[in-house]
Amino acid sequence: GENVEQHPSTLSVQEGDSAVIKCTYSDSASNYFPWYKQELGKRPQLIIDIRSNVGEKKDQRIAVTLNKTAKHFSLHITETQPEDSAVYFCAASEWGGKLIFGQGTELSVKP
Amino acid sequence: KAGVTQTPRYLIKTRGQQVTLSCSPISGHRSVSWYQQTPGQGLQFLFEYFSETQRNKGNFPGRFSGRQFSNSRSEMNVSTLELGDSALYLCASSHARSGASTDTQYFGPGTRLTVL
Repeated sequence: GENVEQHPSTLSVQEGDSAVIKCTYSDSASNYFPWYKQELGKRPQLIIDIRSNVGEKKDQRIAVTLNKTAKHFSLHITETQPEDSAVYFCAASEWGGKLIFGQGTELSVKP
Repeated sequence: KAGVTQTPRYLIKTRGQQVTLSCSPISGHRSVSWYQQTPGQGLQFLFEYFSETQRNKGNFPGRFSGRQFSNSRSEMNVSTLELGDSALYLCASSHARSGASTDTQYFGPGTRLTVL
């Protein structure tokens, strides 16, 4: 069945360093890949997304890369700040409103 | 525009009871998806409603059901509650402009269900 694997499950970095989170998906028909940030006790918030016709997308300190052949995509956060600390979820979708989520990465940015 | 809202925010029920959760999407959004979030299983897709029809379904038992009204508001129902149904239930709405393709989903704050 559809599956999204996300690594690492926890990530600790120093403020100013970069953070990279990787996801692999199983369904080759997937064509939409969003990333969500969820702070403790809050709802998931979309931070960036990419579609399968694009290999890379950047928004200020955040970038996502997609390798369709290998069926994996990655989130890159540069110049991390303490407020980036949260749980990050990747997801994949083939169509409609069905998102298959990875297990999440707890990012801790130490000042 | 107002964001996605969910009611109630917290619920405590006992095993065997049934519960109904409500989700009001962003104005103009036609698709509502429901997810269950637990520490052990993460975020799992329950089902999606688009134009009052269920068009996607996850791997949950038939005790979990839902519906969507003509104003796009959606409800989900869980019958014969089990302890394992304790979770945060999130709904998300999207515009679904082009029908089948996936649009950005915006999440509500969730309903925290505790089953005793």
